[in-house]
Amino acid sequence: DTGVSQDPRHKITKRGQNVTFRCDPISEHNRLYWYRQTLGQGPEFLTYFQNEAQLEKSRLLSDRFSAERPKGSFSTLEIQRTEQGDSAMYLCASSFAGSSGNTIYFGEGSWLTVV
Amino acid sequence: LAKITQPISMDSYEGQEVNITCSHNNIATNDYITWYQQFPSQGPRFIIQGYKTKVTNEVASLFIPADRKSSTLSLPRVSLSDTAVYYCLVGEGYQKVTFGTGTKLQVIP
Repeated sequence: DTGVSQDPRHKITKRGQNVTFRCDPISEHNRLYWYRQTLGQGPEFLTYFQNEAQLEKSRLLSDRFSAERPKGSFSTLEIQRTEQGDSAMYLCASSFAGSSGNTIYFGEGSWLTVV
Repeated sequence: LAKITQPISMDSYEGQEVNITCSHNNIATNDYITWYQQFPSQGPRFIIQGYKTKVTNEVASLFIPADRKSSTLSLPRVSLSDTAVYYCLVGEGYQKVTFGTGTKLQVIP
C-alpha cells in the first residue's frame, strides 16, 4: 500500500502524559498536513510542511503541540501534558505542491483518548 | 477563502442517483472544487476534483456551471456502502484545505 500511513492507529493515555504520532506520506509528496477531527465535526487544520519547512500553524496548535518533519519525509506530532480536550482523531495528509488542484490524500487517522 | 454551503443531511434509497449541491459564491479564479467522502473512524477519501464544466470518474461525476458559484456531486445508483459524510472543498493549488461540516448521506434499503 502506497498511501499515507499513520501510527499508532489508537492510543489511550492518562491525562498529563506525552504522546507522539507518526505519519509517513506518499513517497513523492512534498507537502504534509496535520488535521484534528472530533466527533460530528469536519477535520480542522493544524499545520503543514513543505519538505522540512513548517509553513503554517493554526491557532489550534497550542504550545503543548509540536510537529516536525526532519528530513522532509515522515513527520511526527507530539502532544505534551495531554488534556481530556485533546481526545480526537489526528489525521495526516500529503500532497504534491506543483500539481494543479493540490489534491490532498489522507491517512486513516490516529485516535487519541485521554483518560 | 470561499464560503461553502452544502446540505447538512440527505436520505436516498438504494439504486437511486444522488445529487449533492454545494454553493461557493465567492470562489476565486484559481480555485478548484474537490469532494471527499468520509466513513466513521476513517480519514477522508478523495472522490473527484474539477475546475469547470463536467468531470467524471469511475465513482462519481462533478457538474460545475459556467459561473462556478456552485457545483453538484452526482453519485449514480447508490448502495448502502455509500452512506457517509461528503465534503465539498474549494481552494487553489498551494493552499491547505478547510473542511465544513459536510453532508451526511444516509442510503436506505
